[in-house]
Amino acid sequence: DTEVTQTPKHLVMGMTNKKSLKCEQHMGHRAMYWYKQKAKKPPELMFVYSYEKLSINESVPSRFSPECPNSSLLNLHLHALQPEDSALYLCASSQWDRGFDEQYFGPGTRLTVT
Amino acid sequence: AQTVTQSQPEMSVQEAETVTLSCTYDTSESDYYLFWYKQPPSRQMILVIRQEAYKQQNATENRFSVNFQKAAKSFSLKISDSQLGDAAMYFCAYRSARTVSAGNMLTFGGGTRLMVKP
Repeated sequence: DTEVTQTPKHLVMGMTNKKSLKCEQHMGHRAMYWYKQKAKKPPELMFVYSYEKLSINESVPSRFSPECPNSSLLNLHLHALQPEDSALYLCASSQWDRGFDEQYFGPGTRLTVT
Repeated sequence: AQTVTQSQPEMSVQEAETVTLSCTYDTSESDYYLFWYKQPPSRQMILVIRQEAYKQQNATENRFSVNFQKAAKSFSLKISDSQLGDAAMYFCAYRSARTVSAGNMLTFGGGTRLMVKP
């Protein structure tokens, strides 16, 4: 199984809502990532988890709150978002200590903030 | 900090023809990895091919091959016998081979949109 799954596929939320994005992998990977991708742009790294601990936070606003409940799951909690946060949110996973290994990406969640 | 540059925002190729996508990068490191990722319109990004910097031999995966020029810091992707399914955004990416404290972070280029004409 080389799949990373993400739910939901699409999400529309108001600026006062609270919602969560979910990501799951069963490849035994110990590194998981959240990226934000705007149209026709490369993914921008937001967070990196290694062994369920947050190892990198790329100066992301606090209205984005990541969580890694276990080695297979990664959540991104959203609160008080702005319209400019509308984007495709990608989750990825990889081995942590084998840099040559690829990152496996999920299909993404298309988020629209109204 | 490393940077990756893809100078061709868009490219087009006739079906069955060959196309080359360019990528250059800037780094002071000697050991690193390079990747080409493909993102079709359905959005899921997949790995096309990868190269270890210490290997002089260019990587090949079926119709995909790279021309890795370490001294020139160039890593181009050649797609032979182009197919309609090759139409996608292609991202070149760099990863340091330093310790895991680097976070396994990928530095992406800006992307090249490849169109395949039937």
